Amino acid sequence: NAGVTQTPKFQVLKTGQSMTLQCAQDMNHNSMYWYRQDPGMGLRLIYYSASEGTTDKGEVPNGYNVSRLNKREFSLRLESAAPSQTSVYFCASSHSGGREETQYFGPGTRLLVL
Amino acid sequence: AQSVAQPEDQVNVAEGNPLTVKCTYSVSGNPYLFWYVQYPNRGLQFLLKYITGDNLVKGSYGFEAEFNKSQTSFHLKKPSALVSDSALYFCAVRDSASGGSYIPTFGRGTSLIVHP
Repeated sequence: NAGVTQTPKFQVLKTGQSMTLQCAQDMNHNSMYWYRQDPGMGLRLIYYSASEGTTDKGEVPNGYNVSRLNKREFSLRLESAAPSQTSVYFCASSHSGGREETQYFGPGTRLLVL
Repeated sequence: AQSVAQPEDQVNVAEGNPLTVKCTYSVSGNPYLFWYVQYPNRGLQFLLKYITGDNLVKGSYGFEAEFNKSQTSFHLKKPSALVSDSALYFCAVRDSASGGSYIPTFGRGTSLIVHP
C-alpha cells in the first residue's frame, strides 16, 4: 500500500515550458487535491476533484489545469511555466470529502522555474 | 467563512521540556480541527483531529491537543519534547455549517525547533 505517490520528485523548467505533475493513490479515495506550498504562505489549494469526473478551482488556479484521469490518478499541468510557479506541489486524497475526514498527502514535487 | 491562524512562525523549546504550538480558528458552525506535521523534504502527515466529544484529543507520537470553544483555540501540546519532534506543524479547520466548504483551510505553519 503506497498511499499517495507523486512524480517527478524534482523538476527544473525554463520559463514558457510545459509539464505535467502526476499523482496517484491506491486507497480507493474519491476526493483528490492539488496544493502548492510557499514559505510563509502555508498550503494553498490549486484544484480539487470531489469525485471521478469532476474538478473545481481552488484558491490559486491561474496558470494550471488538471485532469482526473480515473479514480486513482489526478494530474496537474502547467501549460506555460512562470517563475512565480516555483514552489513545492503536494497532492492529497481523502475518502469522500467529508468534513471530518483526514487528508493523506504525497511526498511532494519540487519545481524550479528559471 | 472559515479561517485559521498560527500566531507563531517559530517555537523553540529545550529537549525534555513541554511544548505548545498555538492555533486559533473562526467558523460559522462547529469546527472540525486537524493538526498535521511535515518533516523536512516530506509530505504532511496527520497527527490528530477534533470532531466532537472530549476537549482533549490524543494523537500520534505522544502529541495531544486541547479544544477550547470559548477561546476558539486548538493548541497542540506534548509533555516532553524530543529533538526528533523538530518539524513544521500545520493546523487546519473545516466548518460544519451547511454551506461551509468541505475543503480545509490550513494555517501558515509553525516551525518547531527542539534544542538538545
